[in-house]
Amino acid sequence: DAKTTQPPSMDCAEGRAANLPCNHSTISGNEYVYWYRQIHSQGPQYIIHGLKNNETNEMASLIITEDRKSSTLILPHATLRDTAVYYCIATRIRGSTLGRLYFGRGTQLTVWP
Amino acid sequence: ETGVTQTPRHLVMGMTNKKSLKCEQHLGHNAMYWYKQSAKKPLELMFVYSLEERVENNSVPSRFSPECPNSSHLFLHLHTLQPEDSALYLCASSQDTQGAGELFFGEGSRLTVL
Repeated sequence: DAKTTQPPSMDCAEGRAANLPCNHSTISGNEYVYWYRQIHSQGPQYIIHGLKNNETNEMASLIITEDRKSSTLILPHATLRDTAVYYCIATRIRGSTLGRLYFGRGTQLTVWP
Repeated sequence: ETGVTQTPRHLVMGMTNKKSLKCEQHLGHNAMYWYKQSAKKPLELMFVYSLEERVENNSVPSRFSPECPNSSHLFLHLHTLQPEDSALYLCASSQDTQGAGELFFGEGSRLTVL
């Protein structure tokens, strides 16, 4: 799986958009970009994933650059409950066990009032 | 509430004790996983079960013994653990082990070995 690079920490004011960047410059054509988050002392929670196109769901939007070397997770209106570690993962889906996602160190997002 | 329930949430045990962690999923999934998360370290995959058969064992010491009696339940039996085994143990499930699916995690069992 391609290596991903994320800033170790970010801050965001409550109610503002949180934009979390991820660099995956060595990503191959069959690798998806996944985002999970982990609130303190809980299990990780799936947020969103995509291959080429931008994706949106009820939790977040995922913007993938045209060359697929980087992506941004957007939480449109951050709340205090969004304070968590956010993991960006690049992984192929064929020939690879789903559970082998490498969570790395992620970005600690702190939302302040 | 993710549909994956782990018990107990907290466990303290001595090095000579035998205990078990339990995981139950109510999602109709076919794959279940055990992970270990030590302080300041990334998540480590321990075991993978697909349709009740163990399909992966990532060089985990034999003092950790998994059991999957059916597709909804997963156990991790613990015996003669070491203090360095203290960690958060997470269970997860997914529809299958392959494909662009998502993992559903439980809240974890916080284990302390004295």
